[in-house]
Amino acid sequence: DIVMTQTPLSLSVTPGQPASISCKSSQRLLHSDGKTYLYWYLQKPGQSPQLLIYEVSNRFSGVPDRFRGSGSGTDFTLEISRVEAEDVGVYYCMQSIQLPPKTFGQGTKLEIK
Amino acid sequence: EVQLLESGGNLVQPGGSLRLSCAASGFAFSTYAMSWVRRAPGKGLEWVSGISGSGGSTYYADSVKGRFTISRDSSKNTLYLEMNSLRAEDTAVYYCAKSLPPGTARNGVDYWGQGTLVTVSS
Repeated sequence: DIVMTQTPLSLSVTPGQPASISCKSSQRLLHSDGKTYLYWYLQKPGQSPQLLIYEVSNRFSGVPDRFRGSGSGTDFTLEISRVEAEDVGVYYCMQSIQLPPKTFGQGTKLEIK
Repeated sequence: EVQLLESGGNLVQPGGSLRLSCAASGFAFSTYAMSWVRRAPGKGLEWVSGISGSGGSTYYADSVKGRFTISRDSSKNTLYLEMNSLRAEDTAVYYCAKSLPPGTARNGVDYWGQGTLVTVSS
């Protein structure tokens, strides 16, 4: 199985400051079809997970432009340019190039200072 | 508007069975692969199972293979998860989720249901 490793596992950020989460995969996520099967999700407290970024760097519908995904190969990053109070929750990266199973990172808990 | 509504979660004894349902609306159900993902208390997200749009291909995590069965009924726009030989470690909130366009099983998921709680305990 492909192992997804996120760092850090927790973040405490002052509103208006940037935040960054790293996700490293144990295998390359670039498929022969040209897509890189790496996604970012946020699960806010008491809510279902929601898609933020698909295929490394594409923001999903309605996701604010302060969220940015980047990376290639086995190293990926989610950046929030200016954290807001509504961004609290647990962030997960996920790979789906290998099926089964799709695998998630351990999660990174973001809290506001 | 895409809507996914899970049901069927309950308290069940170890070794017992349960069937979860996910009623889908707002998209062409039969053309999209679907997944079940769970989150156990205090743990992260775990992908459990997936099924192609046609239902012809199914996929399982090793932790549930041989015990869980995923299926779909396109006439009812409903996804199912039949859970047998349940264990305490299956306790979790179970979410159904729809694949991103173009709907293949390999794609990530975009929309999630609100989840249904399964508790396995004596």
